[in-house]
Amino acid sequence: DIQMTQSPSSLSASVGDRVTITCRASQTISTYLNWYQQKPGKGPKVLIYAASTLQKGVPSRFSGSGSGTDFTLTISSLQPEDFAIYYCQQTYSPSYTFGQGTKVEI
Amino acid sequence: EVQLVQAGGGLVRPGGSLRLSCAASGFTFPNAWMSWVRQAPGKGLEWVGRIKSEIDGGTTNHAAPVEGRINISRDDSKNTLYLQINSLKTEDTAIYYCTTELFMIASGRVIVIPGVFDNWGLGALVTVSS
Repeated sequence: DIQMTQSPSSLSASVGDRVTITCRASQTISTYLNWYQQKPGKGPKVLIYAASTLQKGVPSRFSGSGSGTDFTLTISSLQPEDFAIYYCQQTYSPSYTFGQGTKVEI
Repeated sequence: EVQLVQAGGGLVRPGGSLRLSCAASGFTFPNAWMSWVRQAPGKGLEWVGRIKSEIDGGTTNHAAPVEGRINISRDDSKNTLYLQINSLKTEDTAIYYCTTELFMIASGRVIVIPGVFDNWGLGALVTVSS
């Protein structure tokens, strides 16, 4: 299986901050990389797919980049509703493995 | 509005079986590829398996940890997805989410983007314990 490793595991930030989360795949996955946001007690919400395509309805402060093995999720100006856990996921191989998550907290 | 209403779940003894259901509305269910994703308490996400639309063959794919123990099925007449898990183990304890896989309509054709889970149910907790 392809292993997905996110860093950091958690971070503290303030409203208005620029936040960057990275995700590394154990082998090349082209741009088959998605990002999800999960809030407590809820199912995840897809933010970005195919590494950089913003899902409909997702605010433009979220952006994704990368290809191959290294990827980045950027929140340009953190808002109060963005405090959550973020997961990357590869869809290059059918195991569709997720990263371990990054908790963004105040 | 897309809705995925899950039912089932509960406490099951190791070695037992459980069936979860997911009633869909707000989209054309027969066109959709549907997946199950689980999340152990306090842990990350794990894809469990999927079933394609009947027009795409209705075939299923399963993750290795559950291969041979699960059956994913669908009833398009009822807009409902099912997950049966047999020979349950304590490590199967998790919240099980049903999800749709992102699709779009282009030139009258349904184009699925496999593995992108765009709508999620509220989840059903399955606890495997003696």
